[in-house]
Amino acid sequence: DIVMTQGALPNPVPSGESVSITCRSSKSLLYSDGKTYLNWYLQRPGQSPQLLIYWMSTRASGVSDRFSGSGSGTDFTLKISGVEAEDVGVYYCQQGLEFPLTFGSGTKLEIK
Amino acid sequence: EVQLVESGGGLVQPGRSLKLSCAASGFTFSNYYMAWVRQAPKKGLEWVATISTSGSRTYYPDSVKGRFTISRDNAKSSLYLQMNSLKSEDTATYYCARWAVEDYFDYWGQGVMVTVSS
Repeated sequence: DIVMTQGALPNPVPSGESVSITCRSSKSLLYSDGKTYLNWYLQRPGQSPQLLIYWMSTRASGVSDRFSGSGSGTDFTLKISGVEAEDVGVYYCQQGLEFPLTFGSGTKLEIK
Repeated sequence: EVQLVESGGGLVQPGRSLKLSCAASGFTFSNYYMAWVRQAPKKGLEWVATISTSGSRTYYPDSVKGRFTISRDNAKSSLYLQMNSLKSEDTATYYCARWAVEDYFDYWGQGVMVTVSS
């Protein structure tokens, strides 16, 4: 199984600051089609998860351009430029390359 | 508007069974793979099952393989999860989710709680 490992944030983060959330996979998520099958989700308090980024760097429809994804085959970063109150929640990375599908343990973001 | 509405959760004793349902609307259900993802209290997300568009292919992690069965009724735009031999560690909120062809979960239901306890 592919293990997804996420880093922590130095909470609380001052409003307006930029943060980077890291995620590492135990196997390269770069497929032969040139796409990297790494997704990011945000779960706000009391809500269902929502898709932010897919294929490592493609923003989902309606997602603010303050969110950006980058990385290599095994090391990934979700950057939030200028955090706002609505960004509070837990961020999860997830690999879509193969079954079993696996998620990272989550990174909590709190705003000061 | 895409909507996924789960039902069927509740309190069940260890070893017993429970069947969850998910009613889908706002899209052509038969065109999409569908999945169940769960979240134990105060814990992270865990993928539980995925089913192909026709229902001919199903996928499970080892943690539920042989105990859980995912199925679908395309005529009713409904997804199901039959859970047998339930354990306390199956206690979680279960989400119905749409699996996009580009390999991500693009829509999620509001979730249904399952508590396994004597």
